[in-house]
Amino acid sequence: QKEVEQNSGPLSVPEGAIASLNCTYSDRGSQSFFWYRQYSGKSPELIMSIYSNGDKEDGRFTAQLNKASQYVSLLIRDSQPSDSATYLCAVNGIQGAQKLVFGQGTRLTINP
Amino acid sequence: DTGVSQNPRHKITKRGQNVTFRCDPISEHNRLYWYRQTLGQGPEFLTYFQNEAQLEKSRLLSDRFSAERPKGSFSTLEIQRTEQGDSAMYLCASSWTDTDTQYFGPGTRLTVL
Repeated sequence: QKEVEQNSGPLSVPEGAIASLNCTYSDRGSQSFFWYRQYSGKSPELIMSIYSNGDKEDGRFTAQLNKASQYVSLLIRDSQPSDSATYLCAVNGIQGAQKLVFGQGTRLTINP
Repeated sequence: DTGVSQNPRHKITKRGQNVTFRCDPISEHNRLYWYRQTLGQGPEFLTYFQNEAQLEKSRLLSDRFSAERPKGSFSTLEIQRTEQGDSAMYLCASSWTDTDTQYFGPGTRLTVL
């Protein structure tokens, strides 16, 4: 089992709709969770961090964390073509280590 | 404050040559990380420093790889005797001890011919 798993997609969503991205992780002791956006050929850009169970909202983005189910998700409301990118889920604290472990990323396409 | 910077942005080299990359973290950040990313995959951790101390190295970091952060500011990553399998994007990130939020630089894309 991979430490952090994401559906690689591609996920296609019409403009203006809600895009839902999911991630599961293996270590119950993991401490912090991050979503990064990566455009083709560019480096990861931080979108959201979340540390406790529940929802965290920032503009059109909402991160959701459920530690009991070892599940973290990202919702993008009112999707725009500029949201088309690969979204990386990253987990810190797996096995107590101070490093990010990434999923392979979900490629999202927003169709005008 | 200009964020994390990396140089060079692109490097093309022949198999067997040595290459060195530089990373300058965000100025107040004391932790610095190196990752490697290949096409279609998420970044993979290589090593990290807290100030000048190298605290963890991945087993991905073979004998041919070495990283330094001599004064706790910028860092260098050297790859000796490059192989075609070393072709990847090398990413540097930094953070402050009190938070674990990592900010990435633009990366150095290495192509080994």
